[in-house]
Amino acid sequence: GESVGLHLPTLSVQEGDNSIINCAYSNSASDYFIWYKQESGKGPQFIIDIRSNMDKRQGQRVTVLLNKTVKHLSLQIAATQPGDSAVYFCAENMDDYKLSFGAGTTVTVRA
Amino acid sequence: EAQVTQNPRYLITVTGKKLTVTCSQNMNHEYMSWYRQDPGLGLRQIYYSMNVEVTDKGDVPEGYKVSRKEKRNFPLILESPSPNQTSLYFCASSSSRGETQYFGPGTRLLVL
Repeated sequence: GESVGLHLPTLSVQEGDNSIINCAYSNSASDYFIWYKQESGKGPQFIIDIRSNMDKRQGQRVTVLLNKTVKHLSLQIAATQPGDSAVYFCAENMDDYKLSFGAGTTVTVRA
Repeated sequence: EAQVTQNPRYLITVTGKKLTVTCSQNMNHEYMSWYRQDPGLGLRQIYYSMNVEVTDKGDVPEGYKVSRKEKRNFPLILESPSPNQTSLYFCASSSSRGETQYFGPGTRLLVL
């Protein structure tokens, strides 16, 4: 079946460096993608989203890039901070009511 | 404060003992959903509701029931829990179709 997946389950980053988290999707009909951050003991928290009519969207210290040609999504975090340590999920809008999540990437920030 | 609340946050029960996990949102959202989260599997959708009295199955509905009698509440019912339903459960809501879903804090369930 079609699914959303993340390339790496873990990512270790030096504080102050930029982080890049990747995600591949296989449903070419998906038109809405979301990145969530989940800290230990909490529910997923919305970070940023992007619709398929865009290639790039920027937020505060975060940028999402969408490459529809190769069905690839990435989240870039600028100047990574200790508070960025968490599990990051990409989610794909399969239809108007269903989100399909990847397994997640655990980001650890080294001091 | 806009939020999604779940109760209880932690629950230990035994096989076969019916339980209900409540979910409530104060954002007047039409859409609500239940997910379970298991290690290495991410979040999988159990059931969702498009509006009052309108519900449908997600990816893993077996062993679960839901109801949507009021817009703000969307309880998850386990009629006869089994150990394979031990998991972390999240409720989520969004304003409409295709919009961002906001998640509750989670309910950790252990079925012995």
